[in-house]
Amino acid sequence: DAKTTQPNSMESNEEEPVHLPCNHSTISGTDYIHWYRQLPSQGPEYVIHGLTSNVNNRMASLAIAEDRKSSTLILHRATLRDAAVYYCILRDVLDYGQNFVFGPGTRLSVLP
Amino acid sequence: DADVTQTPRNRITKTGKRIMLECSQTKGHDRMYWYRQDPGLGLRLIYYSFDVKDINKGEISDGYSVSRQAQAKFSLSLESAIPNQTALYFCATSGGGTRETQYFGPGTRLLVL
Repeated sequence: DAKTTQPNSMESNEEEPVHLPCNHSTISGTDYIHWYRQLPSQGPEYVIHGLTSNVNNRMASLAIAEDRKSSTLILHRATLRDAAVYYCILRDVLDYGQNFVFGPGTRLSVLP
Repeated sequence: DADVTQTPRNRITKTGKRIMLECSQTKGHDRMYWYRQDPGLGLRLIYYSFDVKDINKGEISDGYSVSRQAQAKFSLSLESAIPNQTALYFCATSGGGTRETQYFGPGTRLLVL
């Protein structure tokens, strides 16, 4: 499985933007980049995913480097509710038997 | 109502006991998964099923078994529980395809004494 590297923890102030980095230097051409987050005492939830182009949705934006070896999840205005563990995951769209591999992720703390 | 439900939400059992964790989903998905999460770690895949007749071992299947009773139901059993199986267990479903978004249940917290 392709691997990702994320910082163990990050801190942000409320209402400020947050940039969560992910390195995936061994990414293949058919790997999609997925982001999930896990709020305290809950199961993970989908945030966003992309292949090559930057993506936006109501929760966040995903910025993908031109060489695809890294990506950044952007929360435009962090709220206290965004405090969670964020997972960056690669999944090969052509490998129908492959599963998601959840690493330890980045624990985001949001300060009021 | 939640799309993915798990029962029980909390369970305390003793070493050597057999227990079953149940998962139901209303999303109509074919794919279902069982994960385990230990404190400070990510999720590890125990078993997965891509349809009713398909069962596959994941990364850490030893000591566990599963049953896919129907498209909507996927159960995880610990035949003889041991203390290092104390963890948080999550069930998930997905519809497959290029997006392959997984939907998780609320988790079952298991303590084996």
